[in-house]
Parts: sequence; C-alpha cells; structure tokens
Amino acid sequence: EPEVTQTPSHQVTQMGQEVILRCVPISNHLYFYWYRQILGQKVEFLVSFYNNEISEKSEIFDDQFSVERPDGSNFTLKIRSTKLEDSAMYFCASLWTGVEKLFFGSGTQLSVL
Amino acid sequence: ELKVEQNPLFLSMQEGKNYTIYCNYSTTSDRLYWYRQDPGKSLESLFVLLSNGAVKQEGRLMASLDTKARLSTLHITAAVHDLSATYFCAVFGDSNYQLIWGAGTKLIIKP
Repeated sequence: EPEVTQTPSHQVTQMGQEVILRCVPISNHLYFYWYRQILGQKVEFLVSFYNNEISEKSEIFDDQFSVERPDGSNFTLKIRSTKLEDSAMYFCASLWTGVEKLFFGSGTQLSVL
Repeated sequence: ELKVEQNPLFLSMQEGKNYTIYCNYSTTSDRLYWYRQDPGKSLESLFVLLSNGAVKQEGRLMASLDTKARLSTLHITAAVHDLSATYFCAVFGDSNYQLIWGAGTKLIIKP
C-alpha cells in the first residue's frame, strides 16, 4: 500500500526557533492536510491544501504557521517562532479521492524546550 | 459548526466480551472514518463509511453508519487483548477540506 512519508520522526527545538516539518504525500493525491495531536488528546485540524493553495485553516493555524509545496512532491509545515504549547505530534495526510481514503504519515514528534 | 462526539471515552473490558463504541455528529455528512491509534503511533485507517446504511467488517470489528440519525457505531465482537488501543471517529463536513475528530475511545481489553 502507498505511504505518506514524514521527516524527521522527532524534532527538539528551543522556544523561539523556527522548525520545518516535511512530508511526501502520495503522488497522485490532490488534497493534503496537516493535523496535530497533543499527548493524550484529540486530533486537531490545522490546514488543508488543494490546487497549490490553502483551502481551509483552523484557528490554531495563525501567522506563525505556513505551508508550502515547493517542488510538486514535498509538502512542508513551517512554524516560525515555536512556543512551548506547539509541542505535539504533527501528522501529514493525503486524500485518495474517489475511494475517499485518508492516508496518514507516521508523524513528527515536536518538543519545544 | 460540525461537532463529533464519541462515547464512551474509556472502556475496560474482558476478553471474549462484545461492546459498542458510538459516534454522533452534529451536521450532515456522507463520509465517516474510523481510525485506530496505538500509544505513540500514527493513525491506522480501519473503515471508511460513505453512505447511509453502510456496514463494513474486518475481523472482530464492524462499523455502521446511519446518516439520518447522524450516528456511527463500532462494534467489537469477542474482544481480544490485541484490540487494545484508542479508537477515533472522524467526519468530513460538506467539503474535503476539514476532517473533524471525536475525542477518542481508549479501549483496554484484559486477558
């Protein structure tokens, strides 16, 4: 079965630093997403991306966050100035339309110190 | 605003027993997902339910969808320890843009 690939699997950073989380969605999928999950809590929607632009974003996705699909394969989430409360597992996902199956990557555990 | 509620949030049961997890959502939707998550791991797709009356089964798990009642159920038959995990339901609204998640049901199955 095809996979969504995320790197790194773990990222430790100091508060105020910028981080970039990387994802390679499945190649023929059209919709891409970032979600996050704080330890022990529910999964939260951050942003969806379609046709090379943001289609919807949540209240969490403020000016500190940005997404890019720079080269047609990678899909990145940037946090410009990390806060302690950004510590979470971040999941990338892509949607196989028609079948309507949503594939998740293995996640990046971000720890902000 | 689309809301998704699961219950129970925590379930401890003995092996061999049957039980049902419920997922209610607040607005119309034609796509409901069930995922499994083991501690520290990613989200494993279990079922995609796309129409009213849809029923899908995989091993000891069976999921159903009633779009009129805005209710999905995940039924566990003759539970085994390996099914211990957190189970999430999630619903798309009227677009592909935002998947809204329930809080999850932590299932512990004791030998």
